[in-house]
Amino acid sequence: QSVLTQPPSVSGAPGQGVTISCTGSRSNIGAGYDVHWYQQLPGTAPKVLIFANTRRPSGVPDRFFGSKSGTSASLAITGLQAEDEADYYCQSYDSNLSGSVFGGGTKVTVL
Amino acid sequence: QVQLVESGGGVVQPGRSLRLACAASGFTLSRYGMFWVRQAPGKGLEWVALMWYDGNHKYYGDSVKGRFTISRDNSKNTLYLQMNSLRAEDTAIYYCAKNAVATGTTDWLDPWGQGTLVTVSS
Repeated sequence: QSVLTQPPSVSGAPGQGVTISCTGSRSNIGAGYDVHWYQQLPGTAPKVLIFANTRRPSGVPDRFFGSKSGTSASLAITGLQAEDEADYYCQSYDSNLSGSVFGGGTKVTVL
Repeated sequence: QVQLVESGGGVVQPGRSLRLACAASGFTLSRYGMFWVRQAPGKGLEWVALMWYDGNHKYYGDSVKGRFTISRDNSKNTLYLQMNSLRAEDTAIYYCAKNAVATGTTDWLDPWGQGTLVTVSS
């Protein structure tokens, strides 16, 4: 059981939008620690998609949006494309564990 | 170019030990918090261990505490994960990753290595 909770899967048609939630607690997201999002394509290592809640690294399309409120965060993908099919993970820091915590991952399927 | 390359994975029997290495290039290991993260087959990411940039603070996930040890060799700019008393449930791809911000430990992880597969089986 992951410390951060994500839906196992979401899906949408090309061009549509999807949102992935990430729910934590008062020792991680709720304590003010930033949330980061990673995209993992099959057979590859995770790559940062959104960092510090809302910021996109250079090269990440502006179709990806991050937000955070209270003990939760969300990743929104607009204008779905086939290349967006991947697993997405949220990550934060937990003061009780003195280490990182991850969500269980969400598989995005483009119908 | 900042890069991490893991090595040392393989097949090991339950109860035995294995040491993973993560060779860093393009940056100085001792200026950054460094992580080990694993991913069991078909499963999600699990934080395993963290070493602060100063080398004096080390933290572990509950599932490996007391069995795994994170360390580094500054002269080789290499991070290690000593894994003892291995169990079948330790079977996973093990990634090393760098805290993106120097001297920090709560930031995003970037980059990640390519991973090394550890299989614990008799």
